[in-house]
Amino acid sequence: GEDVEQSLFLSVREGDSSVINCTYTDSSSTYLYWYKQEPGAGLQLLTYIFSNMDMKQDQRLTVLLNKKDKHLSLRIADTQTGDSAIYFCAESSVDSGNTGKLIFGQGTTLQVKP
Amino acid sequence: SQTIHQWPATLVQPVGSPLSLECTVEGTSNPNLYWYRQAAGRGLQLLFYSVGIGQISSEVPQNLSASRPQDRQFILSSKKLLLSDSGFYLCAWSVQGVGSNQPQHFGDGTRLSIL
Repeated sequence: GEDVEQSLFLSVREGDSSVINCTYTDSSSTYLYWYKQEPGAGLQLLTYIFSNMDMKQDQRLTVLLNKKDKHLSLRIADTQTGDSAIYFCAESSVDSGNTGKLIFGQGTTLQVKP
Repeated sequence: SQTIHQWPATLVQPVGSPLSLECTVEGTSNPNLYWYRQAAGRGLQLLFYSVGIGQISSEVPQNLSASRPQDRQFILSSKKLLLSDSGFYLCAWSVQGVGSNQPQHFGDGTRLSIL
């Protein structure tokens, strides 16, 4: 079945760049998403990329997609302490039909040290 | 614009008591609706989803049930809570459509503690 994997933890210094990685198995993925979850809160949609794109940039966020290797990454430039959170990668698939079901990774906890 | 509301934000219940968590969406029609559970701040487990009124699909066998009595209302229930039902419950919605960009949008969650 479909699977999405992420490393569990990443620690960076304030001002450095953070790169959070994700791999997925479903070759029929259409859209791939990045969500941010701050402590005690719901998930906030950060950005997404369509599967026929290689890169998408949105202010400090850069998403890179390597469809051949089924690898997705989220780069946060000039990481701030407010970026400390859990980051989830998720994929949608044409096999989901009209259910809108997404497959989520386990989440990467980003710790930003001052 | 669309909004999603979940309540209560926090709930402490004794083992064996009933449960009802409510989720409502505003500003859209005929959304897909989802209930997730997140244990100890980790990954999301999809519990139920619904593509229409009265249409509920269960993803995992469990002590919980879901209902969708109205188009934009999704309710998570239990007749008798277990200790293992503790967790952070998240409701989400998405626009229905096939092959299109369908991100899910999440509520603020309910922290459920069973004593």
